[in-house]
Amino acid sequence: DGGITQSPKYLFRKEGQNVTLSCEQNLNHDAMYWYRQDPGQGLRLIYYSQIVNDFQKGDIAEGYSVSREKKESFPLTVTSAQKNPTAFYLCASSIVGNAEAFFGQGTRLTVV
Amino acid sequence: AQSVSQHNHHVILSEAASLELGCNYSYGGTVNLFWYVQYPGQHLQLLLKYFSGDPLVKGIKGFEAEFIKSKFSFNLRKPSVQWSDTAEYFCAVYMRFGAGTRLTVKP
Repeated sequence: DGGITQSPKYLFRKEGQNVTLSCEQNLNHDAMYWYRQDPGQGLRLIYYSQIVNDFQKGDIAEGYSVSREKKESFPLTVTSAQKNPTAFYLCASSIVGNAEAFFGQGTRLTVV
Repeated sequence: AQSVSQHNHHVILSEAASLELGCNYSYGGTVNLFWYVQYPGQHLQLLLKYFSGDPLVKGIKGFEAEFIKSKFSFNLRKPSVQWSDTAEYFCAVYMRFGAGTRLTVKP
């Protein structure tokens, strides 16, 4: 069953801790993306990667970091430098950089 | 800066009413345009896309969109909405998304 798996679905962390969100795809897509979804603001691009071992900052990269060591995996770390980390995070992939994106179910991160 | 604007934040319609959701973008050159839909509790999924050719594109569930290059617009339409169309709709250009429009259809 092909798709994108994000885990966990819900995540709670204490303020000041780094946390890593997982994203795995078995669609053999080259491009992967991380978005943050907040009410009334749509999806804002955090980071994207068009090929293994390469990634670029999106529009709101401050306080986040990523890696792309394998084609199927694109984990996102929310660092303690992110001032407002509580949000819904969506991972997506596409066959190439400007094609249709396929989305995971999302991870809701709550920092207390 | 590249941006995508959706004009309506929340639209409320009765069943059988016609729908038009606005989307404008600021990108130069050739663009790939998308509308995605997020039903309550479900993944974001593609509704329709435009890459080239006929500027009137048809998508799933009776939706269509028109690309007007001179107006930098890609508006979404449906002649007659159903209660099941209640969802959030997002316009996207490449990997950038608009703020979304929440559609509520009253039975």
